[in-house]
Amino acid sequence: GAGVSQSPSNKVTEKGKDVELRCDPISGHTALYWYRQSLGQGLEFLIYFQGNSAPDKSGLPSDRFSAERTGGSVSTLTIQRTQQEDSAVYLCASSSKVRRYTEAFFGQGTRLTVV
Amino acid sequence: AQRVTQPEKLLSVFKGAPVELKCNYSYSGSPELFWYVQYSRQRLQLLLRHISRESIKGFTADLNKGETSFHLKKPFAQEEDSAMYYCALHANTGNQFYFGTGTSLTVIP
Repeated sequence: GAGVSQSPSNKVTEKGKDVELRCDPISGHTALYWYRQSLGQGLEFLIYFQGNSAPDKSGLPSDRFSAERTGGSVSTLTIQRTQQEDSAVYLCASSSKVRRYTEAFFGQGTRLTVV
Repeated sequence: AQRVTQPEKLLSVFKGAPVELKCNYSYSGSPELFWYVQYSRQRLQLLLRHISRESIKGFTADLNKGETSFHLKKPFAQEEDSAMYYCALHANTGNQFYFGTGTSLTVIP
C-alpha cells in the first residue's frame, strides 16, 4: 500500500475483554514500531521489531500486552483482559534501513476505548 | 536510558513571536535527528531532518553536538503551527527510532 495502515480505526470494548489491533507496514520496511498515545500525553514506546531479530519489548506496560509480526510484515498487538487505563490511541510506524534518508512513517492509529 | 528529552510539555506563544522547542539527546554514535509534527486529527508526519539542513514551513533545527541539542526554531509563529511536536533520534546501530515525549505548541492569535 501507499502508507502504513492500521485497523480498526476505532475500537470500543468492555473491560476484561481481549482486543487485537492490526498494523500493515509499508512494503519492504524492515522495522516496525508500536506506540501508545494517551489523551493529552506524548508517545509511549511499546515494542519494536527489526527483521528477524528478537523484538525489543521493553516498553510493554504489563504482561497483558503482546505483539507479533508474521512473515516480517503484518503485526498484531494484543491486549488481554483490557482495563480502562488501556484506553488510548495506538500508533504503528515502519521504517526502512536501506534508504539513505531513513524515515519513520506512521499509521493513522487505532483509538481504543475500554468501557 | 532516556535518549531524547523534550523538557517542555506545553508551550504557548503569541502569533508573530519567535518560538523555540527544545530537544536534547543522548547517544554515543553519530545520531540522525528528526522533528515530527502531529496536527489536529492528522497522523504523525516528518517535519524535518537534520541531515538535510532544510527549512520547512519556516522551521529550522540545528544539530549542536557539543550541547547534544536539536532545538526547533521559527522566527514568527503562525496559528497553523499549533500542533504536537516530537523530536526523534535514529540509532544507526539497531535501526531504531527513539521519540521524545512531545511538546504541545499553541499559537495564540
